[in-house]
Amino acid sequence: DADVTQTPRNRITKTGKRIMLECSQTKGHDRMYWYRQDPGLGLRLIYYSFDVKDINKGEISDGYSVSRQAQAKFSLSLESAIPNQTALYFCATSDEPTGEETQYFGPGTRLLVL
Amino acid sequence: KQEVTQIPAALSVPEGENLVLNCSFTDSAIYNLQWFRQDPGKGLTSLLLIQSSQREQTSGRLNASLDKSSGRSTLYIAASQPGDSATYLCAVRGHGNKLVFGAGTILRVKS
Repeated sequence: DADVTQTPRNRITKTGKRIMLECSQTKGHDRMYWYRQDPGLGLRLIYYSFDVKDINKGEISDGYSVSRQAQAKFSLSLESAIPNQTALYFCATSDEPTGEETQYFGPGTRLLVL
Repeated sequence: KQEVTQIPAALSVPEGENLVLNCSFTDSAIYNLQWFRQDPGKGLTSLLLIQSSQREQTSGRLNASLDKSSGRSTLYIAASQPGDSATYLCAVRGHGNKLVFGAGTILRVKS
């Protein structure tokens, strides 16, 4: 089984709808991240969490919210989806607080907002 | 603000060729630099991580170098194979302990 899972894998929604993307991990890591990837722009950080009680905004948090329900679960919500939120969304986890730190990525959720 | 640039954006080579992917970054105050591989539907996989104090790292046919003072890194792939076809992403970790990614190089190795 995969260590970092994302649901759904693909989603089509309409402008104005609220949607939630979910991420679960079995690696036992404290740190979790949400990124979006757009063609030609690489990955950009939306939100991150260093433990259950910690939520931090990333580079592009406007229009998004997150919930860290447990150490293993980190959800990303689009309160009112808009077409420019069409992108590939990745969840990632990591363990070490400083220095060498490899992030482990989920398979991604492809979102289309019509 | 850290910016990471990868050149070329896309590369197509015949099987067996040695190739070099380039990554540059604007702020040399980094903790480390990583190279990732991205396959469709499978997310990102870390290939090599170079600490700021290191000059290079090797794993099999892959060798990554880091010149922190000039803000450059290269990923060298020896004897390329069709299975190497993927998108290769460079990412640096700096202030705030967060990763900043380049846009990636799409590699196609033709058999």
